[in-house]
This record gives sequence, C-alpha cells and structure tokens, in this order.
Amino acid sequence: GNSVTQMEGPVTLSEEAFLTINCTYTATGYPSLFWYVQYPGEGLQLLLKATKADDKGSNKGFEATYRKETTSFHLEKGSVQVSDSAVYFCALRAQDNFNKFYFGSGTKLNVKP
Amino acid sequence: DAGITQSPRYKITETGRQVTLMCHQTWSHSYMFWYRQDLGHGLRLIYYSAAADITDKGEVPDGYVVSRSKTENFPLTLESATRSQTSVYFCASSESASPMNFGAGTRLSVL
Repeated sequence: GNSVTQMEGPVTLSEEAFLTINCTYTATGYPSLFWYVQYPGEGLQLLLKATKADDKGSNKGFEATYRKETTSFHLEKGSVQVSDSAVYFCALRAQDNFNKFYFGSGTKLNVKP
Repeated sequence: DAGITQSPRYKITETGRQVTLMCHQTWSHSYMFWYRQDLGHGLRLIYYSAAADITDKGEVPDGYVVSRSKTENFPLTLESATRSQTSVYFCASSESASPMNFGAGTRLSVL
C-alpha cells in the first residue's frame, strides 16, 4: 500500500539554523512527492514537488530530493527564519490512482529569534 | 478571483442540526476532495469526487453527505451534527497530474 511517514514535531530551531524534516514513503510504482506548508489559521499551500526519481524540488530556499533508493523526500533549508514557523506536510500522489493523495501527519516547526 | 473558496470560514452550530459547508473552485479541476483536520489525526479524507456526479467515500465518511452537480461546486453536508464533528474542514481540488490546491478551511464547532 501507499503511506507517508514524517518525523514528529515540534521542531524548535533558532533563526539561521539548518533545517531537516525527514519524510519516507511506501508506494507502488513511481509516485509524485510533495511538501505542503500550513501557516496558522490557513489552508495548506504547495511548497515544492518532485515527480520522478532524483528530481529536486525547490522553493523559497527549501529543497527536497526524490530518493527512490531510500524512499525518502527530506525537506531542507540552510537558514530558517521566524517567518518559516508553520506545519509542514509531506505527501505523495499514487501513480496508479490520481485520486489518491497520502499525507504525513505533519511536523510543526517553531523558529525562535 | 481564481482559486478555491470555502464558506463559511467559521460556523457554530448545535448538536442535531444540519450544516452545509460550501466549496467552489474556478479552475474547472476534475477532482475535488473534502478533508477534516484534527489534532493528533492529521488530515483525513472524508469524500472525493472525480467529476460531476461522481463521488466516492474516503476514510471517514460516516455522518457526511456530498453532491457534485456542477464541476465547480462540491458542498459537504453534515446531516445531523455531532460534537465529534467539531473540526477544521478543508476542500481541495486537482487535475490528473497536478498538485492538490486547498481552500482556506472552515472551522466548525458543534455545541
């Protein structure tokens, strides 16, 4: 079956620290992978995506590389800001059923000044 | 405005009442979804739709009804609201190979 596992939070960092949020997945075939971000009181927004192995998605200083050999899609940022405080969701879209998105449980990031 | 709009943004109702949450998208996306978000449970799929007049159950459909007579609208009805349905509800849409786009959410409290 398909599933997404991401590290539990909250993750608390100081401003300008390096961020990694781990995400691993189980899927049949070749899914598309996504990171979404949810700011307080808002809906989820697409942060970045990757559609095939070795693709690197990037946006707003965040990056994630689709690693098929380790079934991972870890989110990284070199220098976080207070404004990055949010909940981050890893997700996959199954190759065999475009109806189906599978979301991780979310990781809350707190960045302190 | 282009995008996906949910209404109302906030709703307080009483146990046993019928409540309808509205969702409208302007992209003419084929797929639409309803999720609920609760602490400790993440996002859970309630219902989804692949096209007008085609709907299917997700993980937690009990107590909810959906319809999709037009591509752009996908209302969610709680037939007889219960306290356990207090949650934040998100509508989303997508096309076959595109990411999912979410609305801003409806925060529902059932007293």
